[in-house]
Amino acid sequence: ETGVTQTPRHLVMGMTNKKSLKCEQHLGHNAMYWYKQSAKKPLELMFVYNFKEQTENNSVPSRFSPECPNSSHLFLHLHTLQPEDSALYLCASSQDGTITDTQYFGPGTRLTVL
Amino acid sequence: QKEVEQNSGPLSVPEGAIASLNCTYSDRGSQSFFWYRQYSGKSPELIMFIYSNGDKEDGRFTAQLNKASQYVSLLIRDSQPSDSATYLCAVGRSSASKIIFGSGTRLSIRP
Repeated sequence: ETGVTQTPRHLVMGMTNKKSLKCEQHLGHNAMYWYKQSAKKPLELMFVYNFKEQTENNSVPSRFSPECPNSSHLFLHLHTLQPEDSALYLCASSQDGTITDTQYFGPGTRLTVL
Repeated sequence: QKEVEQNSGPLSVPEGAIASLNCTYSDRGSQSFFWYRQYSGKSPELIMFIYSNGDKEDGRFTAQLNKASQYVSLLIRDSQPSDSATYLCAVGRSSASKIIFGSGTRLSIRP
């Protein structure tokens, strides 16, 4: 595997379900990100991890819970989501999390909340 | 005022012509500027980055940065149908230590 991978690619869940999104980067980077992309809206940064430490939580509701066990893996745990949480969830990584770093994106998870 | 503004389009350009995409930003202290391309149903991929005022060329792509006027543009020469995509402008704000994305401009190259 190369680059940034995400699983699952598609997820349909009910409002009472608990599920997790997984991201893995094979680039040797130290920073990882979760973004939400909704139709006709800018990419919304959700969380940033740098060297496994959370450095950004962009006022994300607690029904989204990130986990970063090491610099290569990032999870997003989901519970009691709302229909408005349906979106494309993108994981990205960069070398050191600075503003001059290029971010490399995974293919995304298309989430539908019923 | 949005932090990073782009015309949503669609911008329709004939094949072989120059496509010009523009982006303005609000934070005068911004230091890094990126253009990403996103095909429908796919994730964003980097086309170019620019840090200094002026032009930066890479193949058919030229990024132009004017910090005094707070805009960055992307020119695509000899446009091809494969260039049809949404182009995202992203700006690195040192004051916030993060990169802010615009909502993108949809470009359509007509044969």
